[in-house]
Amino acid sequence: EAGVAQSPRYKIIEKRQSVAFWCNPISGHATLYWYQQILGQGPKLLIQFQNNGVVDDSQLPKDRFSAERLKGVDSTLKIQPAKLEDSAVYLCASSLLAGLQETQYFGPGTRLLVL
Amino acid sequence: GENVEQHPSTLSVQEGDSAVIKCTYSDSASNYFPWYKQELGKGPQLIIDIRSNVGEKKDQRIAVTLNKTAKHFSLHITETQPEDSAVYFCASSMEYGNKLVFGAGTILRVKS
Repeated sequence: EAGVAQSPRYKIIEKRQSVAFWCNPISGHATLYWYQQILGQGPKLLIQFQNNGVVDDSQLPKDRFSAERLKGVDSTLKIQPAKLEDSAVYLCASSLLAGLQETQYFGPGTRLLVL
Repeated sequence: GENVEQHPSTLSVQEGDSAVIKCTYSDSASNYFPWYKQELGKGPQLIIDIRSNVGEKKDQRIAVTLNKTAKHFSLHITETQPEDSAVYFCASSMEYGNKLVFGAGTILRVKS
């Protein structure tokens, strides 16, 4: 079975520019997560979708970050405008369902460098 | 909110020795504790998990123990091999929503 796909793998932008990341979860997985992983830290949840609805976006900096999952499959995470502190790896994960401690499967991540 | 602390931050062992990584969590409502392995340039991969109704779980060379009273859980790797070298993350979640809170990670180096 194919894993979680993410693109691009690397992105370098200047501060105040905008950037978008794409994620395609494992086929049939209803729940999709975006995590931010700053160098030397564990992943931190930004947003969780159940199908195309948002379950948790409490840690998403909504003044600059946005995410959507319009058809309940692929998802896009956008940053506009980017700040230096947004430099991190952005990980997408998916699970079959939410709740009941379903295993989360992670993609390879997109490494973002903001100059 | 939940907070997970992980120790040590780095661990070097000789091939064949055992490695132990420890985590503590703050929210007594947490009841699911997975461990992830992350290799360079890759996303985290689940290696073992434990639920609160179990005190210990083993899978070949890997075992996890849970002490709910003390809010501690630990990862034990026996007979370490060079390919075990990676960053290991512990995490916790509560039953509803599946939101994972991760520790800061442990860099494990296995010297051959």
